[in-house]
Amino acid sequence: TAGITQAPTSQILAAGRSMTLRCTQDMRHNAMYWYRQDLGLGLRLIHYSNTAGTTGKGEVPDGYSVSRANTDDFPLTLASAVPSQTSVYFCASSDVTGGFVEQFFGPGTRLTVL
Amino acid sequence: SQELEQSPQSLIVQEGKNLTINCTSSKTLYGLYWYKQKYGEGLIFLMMLQKGGEEKSHEKITAKLDEKKQQSSLHITASQPSHAGIYLCGADIEGANSKLTFGKGITLSVRP
Repeated sequence: TAGITQAPTSQILAAGRSMTLRCTQDMRHNAMYWYRQDLGLGLRLIHYSNTAGTTGKGEVPDGYSVSRANTDDFPLTLASAVPSQTSVYFCASSDVTGGFVEQFFGPGTRLTVL
Repeated sequence: SQELEQSPQSLIVQEGKNLTINCTSSKTLYGLYWYKQKYGEGLIFLMMLQKGGEEKSHEKITAKLDEKKQQSSLHITASQPSHAGIYLCGADIEGANSKLTFGKGITLSVRP
């Protein structure tokens, strides 16, 4: 079982360019999340989706957008990248069916915005 | 987020020694999750605690939840180099059963 896959593994992006980070899970989890991890700041939630067709804002949503057209995919788009968006991005999913359940994390995408 | 404080920030121990790290919340804990991360890799789930007083163990790692103190501790017995990494706690502090708030993580180094 692949679990959660993210693409690309790493990317260098010019400021002002747009980019979509891809995330796919094969566990049929209803909830999915995007985090960024920065040194000294820990892991911060960008956007989340509790079920296909719905999304919500996390702690640091500005400059990012997401969509959830189906259960498996949860892409994160940077419309016009800025250097402060340089970070490691993690996608996660969980099966939220009324209980406390773990979040499964992808391997991450390392993004550098120059 | 400052809602979850982890201590100490980093820790270096000699192989074979025991150690304890902590995660303290400024808000009510509805669920507490411990993860481990190797540098440059994704997070690996260790264990989840739901109820005050709950204690779980996996191999040489034991985690406890003190609901009154809004704190969880993670104890490693007879540390090994394989225990090295970043330990993050994540908590449901909204009662939403979904979103987690994470601490900044504790970097553990184990000297052979």
